Amino acid sequence: AQSVAQPEDQVNVAEGNPLTVKCTYSVSGNPYLFWYVQYPNRGLQFLLKYITGDNLVKGSYGFEAEFNKSQTSFHLKKPSALVSDSALYFCAVRLYNQGGKLIFGQGTELSVKP
Amino acid sequence: EAGVAQSPRYKIIEKRQSVAFWCNPISGHATLYWYQQILGQGPKLLIQFQNNGVVDDSQLPKDRFSAERLKGVDSTLKIQPAKLEDSAVYLCASSLSAQETQYFGPGTRLLVL
Repeated sequence: AQSVAQPEDQVNVAEGNPLTVKCTYSVSGNPYLFWYVQYPNRGLQFLLKYITGDNLVKGSYGFEAEFNKSQTSFHLKKPSALVSDSALYFCAVRLYNQGGKLIFGQGTELSVKP
Repeated sequence: EAGVAQSPRYKIIEKRQSVAFWCNPISGHATLYWYQQILGQGPKLLIQFQNNGVVDDSQLPKDRFSAERLKGVDSTLKIQPAKLEDSAVYLCASSLSAQETQYFGPGTRLLVL
């Protein structure tokens, strides 16, 4: 069965420092990988996706993610965190041949302190 | 471009009552999804429509949940009767096709007492 794991429930970072939010996946087949962000009382906002090609994907608001097939990981990164980046982050996976269904991780709460 | 619209934003009901949620997807998006997000968990797909046809409803509790997208545009999700464990945020998403990026609405937060 396909699954996504976000091993950290919470990540704390000081403003200006680099941040990493971890994601690993388990699928049979080629995955499409996504990151979404959720602010309080709001829906999910799309940040970036990996379909194929370059393993380093750049997305919205200065975020990027690195696909690592051998480690089955897709970690989200940002070189310099902002207080406004504080939110709940979800990693998701979809198989290219299984329609649109997204399988989400449980989420990681990112807290950026001034 | 207008995003995915959902209403109501909040709903409080007693158990065994019925409730309905409405979703209007982004214009031109053929694929529409309903997800359930329980507190502390990631969203879980309930049902996926392609135009007005159901593609995947394998996770929908069909004894109490129903959904329709009659004209291939907006959609309603109904729960009848509601249980305490149905308390969650119900998210609607849409995409141009099943292979394209999904965009989410603000969600409807349901509390069943």
